[in-house]
Amino acid sequence: SQELEQSPQSLIVQEGKNLTINCTSSKTLYGLYWYKQKYGEGLIFLMMLQKGGEEKSHEKITAKLDEKKQQSSLHITASQPSHAGIYLCGAAYPNAGNNRKLIWGLGTSLAVNP
Amino acid sequence: NAGVTQTPKFRILKIGQSMTLQCTQDMNHNYMYWYRQDPGMGLKLIYYSVGAGITDKGEVPNGYNVSRSTTEDFPLRLELAAPSQTSVYFCASSYSVGRLDIQYFGAGTRLSVL
Repeated sequence: SQELEQSPQSLIVQEGKNLTINCTSSKTLYGLYWYKQKYGEGLIFLMMLQKGGEEKSHEKITAKLDEKKQQSSLHITASQPSHAGIYLCGAAYPNAGNNRKLIWGLGTSLAVNP
Repeated sequence: NAGVTQTPKFRILKIGQSMTLQCTQDMNHNYMYWYRQDPGMGLKLIYYSVGAGITDKGEVPNGYNVSRSTTEDFPLRLELAAPSQTSVYFCASSYSVGRLDIQYFGAGTRLSVL
């Protein structure tokens, strides 16, 4: 099973609707990252969360880290077609050497219908 | 500011051929990474480098080689290409924010081995 589970795998919403994507770790996190990917492009950094309860926003996208559940949720308010793409979470775990090697979720594919 | 630049964007190789995927960054980042992204498998780390002259294996290094002679460049070499190496390859570089790093990605190289 995956160390980092994202749900849902895919999502289709009507423009203007709110939505939430979750990323759950099977072990204690050191940091949690959210990226967005469009087809044929690289990953665009959205946010990094380090502390339990931390919440960050980027335009209409908000992400929060629940330390108790080892889970992060990414919430998009009033979705727009420009929000469409694949959202990936990545996690850093405490280990002997390198907090820079990330484990990645499989991604959530988001489509926003006008 | 170009960020992380990867070339080529697309390539088709025959089985047994070799090629080098180029990656260069202009942000003076010490850390650089090579990932491959396969459908349903997420991002997997191939190799990473903590600075010029220093490289280390990631999760899936077999069939690949890297070198880091300068801070800016981190080429990935495929020797004797195999169909299993058909994938999208991403290069990234990172800078530190406290105890963690933020990775910035190139646009990717789509490679098919036939």
